[in-house]
Amino acid sequence: QKEVEQDPGPLSVPEGAIVSLNCTYSNSAFQYFMWYRQYSRKGPELLMYTYSSGNKEDGRFTAQVDKSSKYISLFIRDSQPSDSATYLCAMSTPNQAGTALIFGKGTTLSVSS
Amino acid sequence: NAGVTQTPKFQVLKTGQSMTLQCAQDMNHNSMYWYRQDPGMGLRLIYYSASEGTTDKGEVPNGYNVSRLNKREFSLRLESAAPSQTSVYFCASSVRTGGVEQYFGPGTRLTVT
Repeated sequence: QKEVEQDPGPLSVPEGAIVSLNCTYSNSAFQYFMWYRQYSRKGPELLMYTYSSGNKEDGRFTAQVDKSSKYISLFIRDSQPSDSATYLCAMSTPNQAGTALIFGKGTTLSVSS
Repeated sequence: NAGVTQTPKFQVLKTGQSMTLQCAQDMNHNSMYWYRQDPGMGLRLIYYSASEGTTDKGEVPNGYNVSRLNKREFSLRLESAAPSQTSVYFCASSVRTGGVEQYFGPGTRLTVT
C-alpha cells in the first residue's frame, strides 16, 4: 500500500459547483497536510496546509483533516474555470530528520463555464 | 527574486547520452530536491539535499547522480540516458526538509529516444 493514495480523476464540474478532493494515508506520524495546485506545464505551488487535525479556510477553499480516519479533503466552493488544474495532496513528518514531503498522485479537475 | 530556476526547459537525448540538469534558488533555502513526474505516477523524489554539503537518495535514485554545488545550486546528472528516464523533472527548495512549503521550478521536459 502506498503511503498516500489519491484518486487521479479526471473530475469535471460546471462553474459554480462545490468540488471535493480527497486523499487517504497510512502513516500515522504525518503531522502536516498540504494541498498543492499545478497548472498545466507549470510547477506545483502550495495552496494551503493544516497542522494535525481540524479545518482551515482560505477564501473559497477549505482543507479538512481527519486523523482518526487518516483522510484529508479539500473543498472548493463556487468553482471557477481558473480552478482547472491538478491538485496534489502532500504530507510530512517535520520532526523526523531527513524526511521530505510525500505526495499523492494528484487529481485533475476541469471546471467548465 | 526569481525563486527556483531550471535549465534547460526542454531536452531531447539519444539513449546512452549524458546530460546535467541545472537548478538554482535565490531564497536562501537550506534544502533542495529533484523530482520526476510521470503520468499516473505523480511526483517521485529522486534525490534531495537537506543542507549544503549533504545529499540523500529518494524513492527513485537509480540512473541519476546529484551535486549540491553550493547553497544556491543543485544539479542532476544522467550519466547514460535511457528511454525510461523520459519525464518532466522538477527542482524544488524549502527552508528545511519536511518543511511545509516547497517552491518548485518550472520543470525540464526530457525525452530520451
